[in-house]
Amino acid sequence: GDSVTQMEGPVTLSEEACLTINCTYTATGYPSLFWYVQYPGEGLQLLLKATKADDKGSNKGFEATYRKETTSFHLEKGSVQVSDSAVYFCALSDRNTGKLIFGQGTTLQVKP
Amino acid sequence: DAGVIQSPRHEVTEMGQEVTLRCKPISGHNSLFWYRQTMMRGLELLIYFNNNVPIDDSGMPEDRFSAKMPNASFSTLKIQPSEPRDSAVYFCASSMALAGGSQETQYFGPGTRLLVL
Repeated sequence: GDSVTQMEGPVTLSEEACLTINCTYTATGYPSLFWYVQYPGEGLQLLLKATKADDKGSNKGFEATYRKETTSFHLEKGSVQVSDSAVYFCALSDRNTGKLIFGQGTTLQVKP
Repeated sequence: DAGVIQSPRHEVTEMGQEVTLRCKPISGHNSLFWYRQTMMRGLELLIYFNNNVPIDDSGMPEDRFSAKMPNASFSTLKIQPSEPRDSAVYFCASSMALAGGSQETQYFGPGTRLLVL
């Protein structure tokens, strides 16, 4: 079945460091891809998405490009802030059902 | 819009008691999803509805779990009887299903933190 694999955390960075969180997927067909973020004690918020190959999603300085050839959707940010500390989830969506399949989540901790 | 609304935000109950979690989806959305989040298993889809009709309940763990959506603006997830292993955060999400069957982005509620003693 469809699946999503994320790099294991926690990831600990200093403020202004570069971030990459790897995400690869296995799917039949052409799913939409998402990054959700979960701040402590809160629900999941959509961070960005891409719906077809080579699309780049971006929001709040984060970017991810839908790479069909490598089945990847890595999350990147050039300069992280303490406020970016959260759990990040990569997910794919079955286009017909809308069901989301999540990776296991990657905890990011940014230190001042 | 207020977003997806869930209640209660926190619930502490004793084993064997009935627990009812509530969700109000975003107005105009016609798909609703219930998820469970635990440290051990991560995020799991329990059930989802389209136009108030349950489409896939294969993620519902046992007969102790049931979900209803009596109208487009309200859904419940019930656990009866509850057990300590049901302790988790339960999220509700909603989205819009488009013509042709494709789905738009899911928007999540803040979750209900359930502790069964």
